[in-house]
Amino acid sequence: QKEVEQNSGPLSVPEGAIASLNCTYSDRGSQSFFWYRQYSGKSPELIMFIYSNGDKEDGRFTAQLNKASQYVSLLIRDSQPSDSATYLCAARGGGADGLTFGKGTHLIIQP
Amino acid sequence: GAVVSQHPSRVICKSGTSVKIECRSLDFQATTMFWYRQFPKQSLMLMATSNEGSKATYEQGVEKDKFLINHASLTLSTLTVTSAHPEDSSFYICSARFAGSNQPQHFGDGTRLSIL
Repeated sequence: QKEVEQNSGPLSVPEGAIASLNCTYSDRGSQSFFWYRQYSGKSPELIMFIYSNGDKEDGRFTAQLNKASQYVSLLIRDSQPSDSATYLCAARGGGADGLTFGKGTHLIIQP
Repeated sequence: GAVVSQHPSRVICKSGTSVKIECRSLDFQATTMFWYRQFPKQSLMLMATSNEGSKATYEQGVEKDKFLINHASLTLSTLTVTSAHPEDSSFYICSARFAGSNQPQHFGDGTRLSIL
């Protein structure tokens, strides 16, 4: 059974601070990892994806992957109120597999 | 801009009705599309993988005779919920992926299905 675990939160962060979101996965065969942002009632929006160990930066966002620890994280720098949403972590195995999603972390950026 | 279009965005219908949802990839060909379902305050659960020109692959516990998937072209997959009942009420979301094993999936806007 493939599982992706996230702390459901809510995680409250002051505006301008760094928000740190964490995720662990159970399937060692997972090869690609994705962070999606989902606003209430809307479909997920891709933030970042990563498949190599280490860090990947894109603007205010940094994804980190540690395959040995089966751990993925997302850092959001200079957090803005518009970043308030549910962040979904997802993993995919090899080939054309669909994604296994975590339950999401509800992030609140306090003005 | 959007790369995946899903229609309709909302459906309200009586129990026993069959409902068809369309998912289109815009400006790219998608040999594989995916259908997910999300219940309130839950995460997305993969229902099936839609393969162009062949049968869909269903996840364990998903009834293939109830959720009919047709992927007749490289840009269109349809999901038909047959004889829908109130327990089928959910948020149905499709996704498509660009070619390449590490490419991310892009999601449509979702269809909120409410069965009375």
